[in-house]
Amino acid sequence: EVQLVESGGGLVQPGGSLRLSCAASGFTFSSYEMNWVRQAPGKGLEWVSYISSSGSTIYYADSVKGRFTISRDNAKNSLYLQMNSLRAEDTAVYYCARAPRYSSSGYYDYWGQGTLVTVSS
Amino acid sequence: SYVLTQPPSVSVAPGQTARITCGGNNIGSKSVHWYQQKPGQAPVLVVYDDSDRPSGIPERFSGSNSGNTATLTISRVEAGDEADYYCQVWDSSSDHPGVFGGGTKLTVL
Repeated sequence: EVQLVESGGGLVQPGGSLRLSCAASGFTFSSYEMNWVRQAPGKGLEWVSYISSSGSTIYYADSVKGRFTISRDNAKNSLYLQMNSLRAEDTAVYYCARAPRYSSSGYYDYWGQGTLVTVSS
Repeated sequence: SYVLTQPPSVSVAPGQTARITCGGNNIGSKSVHWYQQKPGQAPVLVVYDDSDRPSGIPERFSGSNSGNTATLTISRVEAGDEADYYCQVWDSSSDHPGVFGGGTKLTVL
């Protein structure tokens, strides 16, 4: 069974940092592209970042570029999101989401349950 | 960057057909995906590549895509279909390719 479990969320002050993790199981993690998607309270979904299966290709949303860093450790079956210079508008539930293998159309077939990040003083 | 436009809300009576649209410039040239999200839950993929359904998704869910509009159609709507629905594309020509529509709240009357 495919499982994605996020962790690392919490309360942080503006300007602070946080590192999110996503532990993957039930599939060959190293073969799949991964994404982070977030959802501010009461708002819609916002794509945040993408990383290829090898980690060689990375994309970011304009809203987080230069502040967030996506990475992965295929030996540990884990995806990460390092978040620096956090702002109040970064407050959201952060989901990790898997893109299916052998598809280039960029959809997400499995999602974690999310971890809440709150940026507030 | 590419923009997807959805109506904020759609209402339908049980047993009727709900149609949720997703507008974008020449969206018919892209693959469109749809997600269902119920309160407090993670999104669930209900249609991918315009009109394909993942295993376990009822045949009542279908999709189409042409011109500047993609549509998610839910036939014989049930109370359990009440949720937020999001369309999504991957804009491979962009360096920030992930794009979601603003979401549509489906209310079952």
